[in-house]
Amino acid sequence: QSALTQPASVSGSPGQSITISCTGTSSDVGSYNLVSWYQQHPGKAPKLMIYEVSKRPSGVSNRFSGSKSGNTASLTISGLQAEDEADYYCCSYAGSSTFVFGTGTKVTVL
Amino acid sequence: EVQLVESGGGLVQPGRSLRLSCTASGFTFGDYAMSWFRQAPGKGLEWVGFIRSKAYGGTTEYAASVKGRFTISRDDSKSIAYLQMNSLKTEDTAVYYCTGLTMVQGVIGWFDPWGQGTLVTVSS
Repeated sequence: QSALTQPASVSGSPGQSITISCTGTSSDVGSYNLVSWYQQHPGKAPKLMIYEVSKRPSGVSNRFSGSKSGNTASLTISGLQAEDEADYYCCSYAGSSTFVFGTGTKVTVL
Repeated sequence: EVQLVESGGGLVQPGRSLRLSCTASGFTFGDYAMSWFRQAPGKGLEWVGFIRSKAYGGTTEYAASVKGRFTISRDDSKSIAYLQMNSLKTEDTAVYYCTGLTMVQGVIGWFDPWGQGTLVTVSS
């Protein structure tokens, strides 16, 4: 299956809110509430930020929130901080023991 | 502390083999499926494969790009997952990450935790 579509880059000023979209199909994002989001700083391992569309793991700032509407999931970062500058990937279960990752979004804090 | 530590990476010639290890601590390893990802320099994440927990049969799934060449196994008594890589190609050069995989009612949920990664360079 094809990768989930994310914008290549999103930017914002400190304190602002930004939203990263993740567009799939009715076979993946649209069918399952198993969307997760990962943050990756340069040279570092990915980190789980959101699971099951909108749940935050322990230790993840409540500035990060997730949602879904139809075939599109979204990650919103509120109160943008310099440390949020990183790459972000979405992921969705796609049925039959398969999953699909997003193309990745580079977040820049201006 | 929940932790995954990969080891075994390095420089290897094309056509040769390499085995990566992923040692877990701080959680009940046997309850989790384990997965491997890789990331070529400057590229995005690529899934390599995963192995289910014994409760789900301990079976494996692989990406088409590595199927038949790579094998994932696990030793729950040692809390280690392995990635055996055979017939390596230059395009297999990447940082390899292992992750825990939470399955929800038998289907793929989310990937957590992640190891720090180990670099595999395939070159003559």
